[in-house]
Amino acid sequence: DAGVTQSPTHLIKTRGQQVTLRCSPKSGHDTVSWYQQALGQGPQFIFQYYEEEERQRGNFPDRFSGHQFPNYSSELNVNALLLGDSALYLCASTYGTLAGELFFGEGSRLTVL
Amino acid sequence: DQQVKQNSPSLSVQEGRISILNCDYTNSMFDYFLWYKKYPAEGPTFLISISSIKDKNEDGRFTVFLNKSAKHLSLHIVPSQPGDSAVYFCAASEWGSGGSNYKLTFGKGTLLTVNP
Repeated sequence: DAGVTQSPTHLIKTRGQQVTLRCSPKSGHDTVSWYQQALGQGPQFIFQYYEEEERQRGNFPDRFSGHQFPNYSSELNVNALLLGDSALYLCASTYGTLAGELFFGEGSRLTVL
Repeated sequence: DQQVKQNSPSLSVQEGRISILNCDYTNSMFDYFLWYKKYPAEGPTFLISISSIKDKNEDGRFTVFLNKSAKHLSLHIVPSQPGDSAVYFCAASEWGSGGSNYKLTFGKGTLLTVNP
């Protein structure tokens, strides 16, 4: 049973560029959340997708956007990259919008130069 | 302003002894609490959770205690094993307030090292 898979695992961008990160949820899961983990910090909630719609959003600017596809996979897009966007981006999945344990992927490590 | 605080960046214990990891929170709307464990190069994995209607939840070697009046929770690992060495994150959510446990607020984590 495949868990949450994310790609790419590592990438390097320069300031001002745009990046797209991808996530496939665990089999049977339909809800995807994205978190940003800066160095030495805990993960910080970006947003959650369910039924192809953004349901909840954390305190992140509009440069951060996402999408969920009919197969429940998801993308995180970040425009106009800043140095401060360098972080580990974690995708987590679960089933439905009620209580559920979050299953995290290994993350995508983004470095902005 | 950090709403979930783990004031000990690291903790070192001997194998077989008890590990106690602490967590404090400031948001009185938090009503569901979780502990996650993270090994290097892996995503966080769920360990144990507790609802605010309880003050203790136990799962094998892991027990979480919640003191709502003090806004404090702790994770006890007994006995500690070298394989428990990892970063432990405390997380909280406003589940019962119309929120969800997907919007988790995490602490900065505590690195636990269990020495053989």
